[in-house]
Amino acid sequence: SQQGEEDPQALSIQEGENATMNCSYKTSINNLQWYRQNSGRGLVHLILIRSNEREKHSGRLRVTLDTSKKSSSLLITASRAADTASYFCVDSGAGSYQLTFGKGTKLSVIP
Amino acid sequence: SQTIHQWPATLVQPVGSPLSLECTVEGTSNPNLYWYRQAAGRGLQLLFYSVGIGQISSEVPQNLSASRPQDRQFILSSKKLLLSDSGFYLCAGFKAGANVLTFGAGSRLTVL
Repeated sequence: SQQGEEDPQALSIQEGENATMNCSYKTSINNLQWYRQNSGRGLVHLILIRSNEREKHSGRLRVTLDTSKKSSSLLITASRAADTASYFCVDSGAGSYQLTFGKGTKLSVIP
Repeated sequence: SQTIHQWPATLVQPVGSPLSLECTVEGTSNPNLYWYRQAAGRGLQLLFYSVGIGQISSEVPQNLSASRPQDRQFILSSKKLLLSDSGFYLCAGFKAGANVLTFGAGSRLTVL
């Protein structure tokens, strides 16, 4: 299965600070994706990074990928209270349909 | 773009009663479809996925079943609900070319 495992499990920061969460995976990846889930809602796609990329930006989001360590990190800069959510990673590469998620990182941004 | 519709949004069922959750896809054809369950404060557990009509793969042995009678329809069922079936059920669709999972808004099931 194409599962990611996120850490930390929970993260609490003040508004304006940066938030960093990590993802580790076990198999070789093709594309690694990050998703966000607001409480009681479905997941929303945030950003995709391909295996041949090392870093990608989208607005206040920065994703890095280290294939040698089989890990990725998601950085949210200048966090806002609205960033409070759970964040998940998953490998959506070809070859497997079993898209499984880890427990996610629950981010709380305190105003 | 792909849109996932799920219903009902909320339901409360007694133990031993049947269940039917429906998921339909709009805006794409031949997607891979997924059912996930999320217990309170927990991660997502993959229950079933389908790569085509009538094709169902089960990830976790349990009293739930899934069916895909049409290309854009994915149904989660149970003949007799257990207390442990309570949770938040999410349907998702994956279009290979788009490389993105699109989720529905979820169905919250409480079994009493």
